Amino acid sequence: KNQVEQSPQSLIILEGKNCTLQCNYTVSPFSNLRWYKQDTGRGPVSLTIMTFSENTKSNGRYTATLDADTKQSSLHITASQLSDSASYICVVSAQQAGTALIFGKGTTLSVSS
Amino acid sequence: NAGVTQTPKFQVLKTGQSMTLQCAQDMNHNSMYWYRQDPGMGLRLIYYSASEGTTDKGEVPNGYNVSRLNKREFSLRLESAAPSQTSVYFCASSEVGGWAGELFFGEGSRLTVL
Repeated sequence: KNQVEQSPQSLIILEGKNCTLQCNYTVSPFSNLRWYKQDTGRGPVSLTIMTFSENTKSNGRYTATLDADTKQSSLHITASQLSDSASYICVVSAQQAGTALIFGKGTTLSVSS
Repeated sequence: NAGVTQTPKFQVLKTGQSMTLQCAQDMNHNSMYWYRQDPGMGLRLIYYSASEGTTDKGEVPNGYNVSRLNKREFSLRLESAAPSQTSVYFCASSEVGGWAGELFFGEGSRLTVL
């Protein structure tokens, strides 16, 4: 069964600190992996999309890594800001007919001052 | 740029009532989707439209119907609302099919069924 598991479920960090969110997946055949940021009461917004051949991809202070062999991804946030407080959702695409996006449940990040 | 616009943003219904959620995108995207988001669960696909004139069931289609009115608009209808349909509904669009294309989401429609 195709699944996406994220950890931790929630995380609290101090402003200015770094953090890393994890995503493990069992999706086959793999197409790409995405990270979305969802602010409270808003729709998800794409941070990165990584294909099988990409190991690392950055978007400002956000850096995503992908290990297709171990089927793991991480999202590293550098020098956190209060505006980083949000839910971060890992989504894996399966390469099949129709639309096959498997969503993780998300990690809720709270950045405090 | 408006992107993906959903209406209404909030709605309260009584069990058995019907309603339609509207979605419009101004990015000339081919594919459109309806998802629901419930606490403690990942987003689940209700219906999608790969291109104008086509619609297909997703993971949780029961109790819903959709209409791809034109390339811009994709509506979701609840014919007889049930408390289990209390959720936040998101419309999304992509230039190409979902497993390859980047998804752009609307701000959500929060529905409560009493």
